[in-house]
Amino acid sequence: IAGITQAPTSQILAAGRRMTLRCTQDMRHNAMYWYRQDLGLGLRLIHYSNTAGTTGKGEVPDGYSVSRANTDDFPLTLASAVPSQTSVYFCASREHTNTGELFFGEGSRLTVL
Amino acid sequence: DQQVKQNSPSLSVQEGRISILNCDYTNSMFDYFLWYKKYPAEGPTFLISISSIKDKNEDGRFTVFLNKSAKHLSLHIVPSQPGDSAVYFCAAISHFSNFGNEKLTFGTGTRLTIIP
Repeated sequence: IAGITQAPTSQILAAGRRMTLRCTQDMRHNAMYWYRQDLGLGLRLIHYSNTAGTTGKGEVPDGYSVSRANTDDFPLTLASAVPSQTSVYFCASREHTNTGELFFGEGSRLTVL
Repeated sequence: DQQVKQNSPSLSVQEGRISILNCDYTNSMFDYFLWYKKYPAEGPTFLISISSIKDKNEDGRFTVFLNKSAKHLSLHIVPSQPGDSAVYFCAAISHFSNFGNEKLTFGTGTRLTIIP
């Protein structure tokens, strides 16, 4: 089934550990995004990539890094996890069209203790 | 600074009645607006959108209204069905201020519960 695949679905992590959330899409979309969803704060953009080889900072980039070596993959790395990074993380992609429609993955629930 | 606001965290509506979800924005450069629906343990899915050149867009039971002067949009669902129970996010994008680098700004979401 075409779409976005995120892994892991859920993870409990000790503070200070390094963690990479994986995201793969098979729709050949140019743009990809990482959002975090927190109660009362909605969806906030962490990092984005308009095309392979480029990345940019979103609204809440601190403590996170991304890479875009190819069109399909857009991993999100927490170099040293902190409890405030406990959240549900969503990867999304979009074709470069005039609409803003994003296609989302099913999310990765991360708990940092 | 929350540029897209959904002031009602939750809403309960009787099955068969109309559900109205509201969204306000502050950035006058926003020119395209979307509504997403999210079920628990799933990613958000696109529902309906509207360009700033229109004031209404309809798709089946779903209608989005845009009032540019008030910087306000609303989603109407009629008749409401139990399967409509979900969290609804409005989102906005500005094409002309960031052409080629457009990013969506989301609201905080409204949890809609349809009462059978």
